[in-house]
Amino acid sequence: GQNIDQPTEMTATEGAIVQINCTYQTSGFNGLFWYQQHAGEAPTFLSYNVLDGLEEKGRFSSFLSRSKGYSYLLLKELQMKDSASYLCAVSPLPPFGGYNKLIFGAGTRLAVHP
Amino acid sequence: DSGVTQTPKHLITATGQRVTLRCSPRSGDLSVYWYQQSLDQGLQFLIQYYNGEERAKGNILERFSAQQFPDLHSELNLSSLELGDSALYFCASSASSGNPQYEQYFGPGTRLTVT
Repeated sequence: GQNIDQPTEMTATEGAIVQINCTYQTSGFNGLFWYQQHAGEAPTFLSYNVLDGLEEKGRFSSFLSRSKGYSYLLLKELQMKDSASYLCAVSPLPPFGGYNKLIFGAGTRLAVHP
Repeated sequence: DSGVTQTPKHLITATGQRVTLRCSPRSGDLSVYWYQQSLDQGLQFLIQYYNGEERAKGNILERFSAQQFPDLHSELNLSSLELGDSALYFCASSASSGNPQYEQYFGPGTRLTVT
């Protein structure tokens, strides 16, 4: 099976950097995804890691270490609009997955303050 | 706007009733996924269809069923509704079924309230 853990809530200051961690226990997965979700809205794709290392996309970066069962999402130059939930998800291998089924963590609610 | 559409936006119904949620994927996407998001459970995968065929099943109750039609739109049918079925139901689509690098695009969701 799969188990994904993220902190429930985090707070940060506008302009700062924040790192949201995700640890997982899974028998194997294709890749690890990060999604952003504003309250009451649809999740939107942020990043995807399949190999170990850092993927950078503008102000957002995501890191994966398969050997450590660990990923993080790094948000730089925080803006008020970054206040949202951040969801870590894995695409598990068969027999638990396959065909891009995503298993999501409970999400981390980030509050950005002025 | 992700390009995925869902109707209706809101649905209020009574326990024991049956409802149908509808999803149209992004143009060209063959895969459709259904997810349920409730306050205490987070985002839970229900079921996936690819080009009309069921491909993967998650924690979907027997009271729930889905299908994907030849025009690729999908419907999620929820029957014998219970209070605990109140949730946001999201549909997502992606270009491929087997390649995980194709991210899923989520629709705006249908908020179901069972009273």
